[in-house]
Amino acid sequence: AQTVTQSQPEMSVQEAETVTLSCTYDTSESDYYLFWYKQPPSRQMILVIRQEAYKQQNATENRFSVNFQKAAKSFSLKISDSQLGDAAMYFCAYRSASGTYKYIFGTGTRLKVLA
Amino acid sequence: NAGVTQTPKFQVLKTGQSMTLQCAQDMNHNSMYWYRQDPGMGLRLIYYSASEGTTDKGEVPNGYNVSRLNKREFSLRLESAAPSQTSVYFCASSEQGLAVTDTQYFGPGTRLTVL
Repeated sequence: AQTVTQSQPEMSVQEAETVTLSCTYDTSESDYYLFWYKQPPSRQMILVIRQEAYKQQNATENRFSVNFQKAAKSFSLKISDSQLGDAAMYFCAYRSASGTYKYIFGTGTRLKVLA
Repeated sequence: NAGVTQTPKFQVLKTGQSMTLQCAQDMNHNSMYWYRQDPGMGLRLIYYSASEGTTDKGEVPNGYNVSRLNKREFSLRLESAAPSQTSVYFCASSEQGLAVTDTQYFGPGTRLTVL
């Protein structure tokens, strides 16, 4: 069975600085998708970034980028130029590319942004 | 375009009571999902509906039933609520569950407390 681990329950970053959130996963599959979701205090889950495992190039979305290390089964999220609005819970998620609708979520990392 | 909506936002039940959580999406998505979120455990899939007329169990289906009323609506029913079902419940939808580019869109959540 697949698992997703986020080992940092909480992180802090100074406004305008850069922070990296860690995520590791375990799977025997070769093709899959990885996601980072943001959950602000409003509780609504918002997709931040997505990575297809068959793509070697790391995904980027504006100030958000990932460091995808397939062999190490690592998928970290880097937030550059952190803003107060980035404060939220961040969840890493895994989804198989074949035959299942099931997403596996990590336990989350709470990010605090300090002014 | 409201996206995914859920009602109610908050609910308090007594042990043994029943209730139905409602979810609707206006994005013409085929697939819909119900998750629960508990502290320190991330999101866990309760049930999903790959397409109108079909439903399947997820990771933690015991104590719940679902109905895919039509393409827009997917309800979650607790027949006899238990304190262990105290949680935040999220509904999500996606265009085509197994598609390469599939992404889930989440509702704002329902906070349920069972006394």
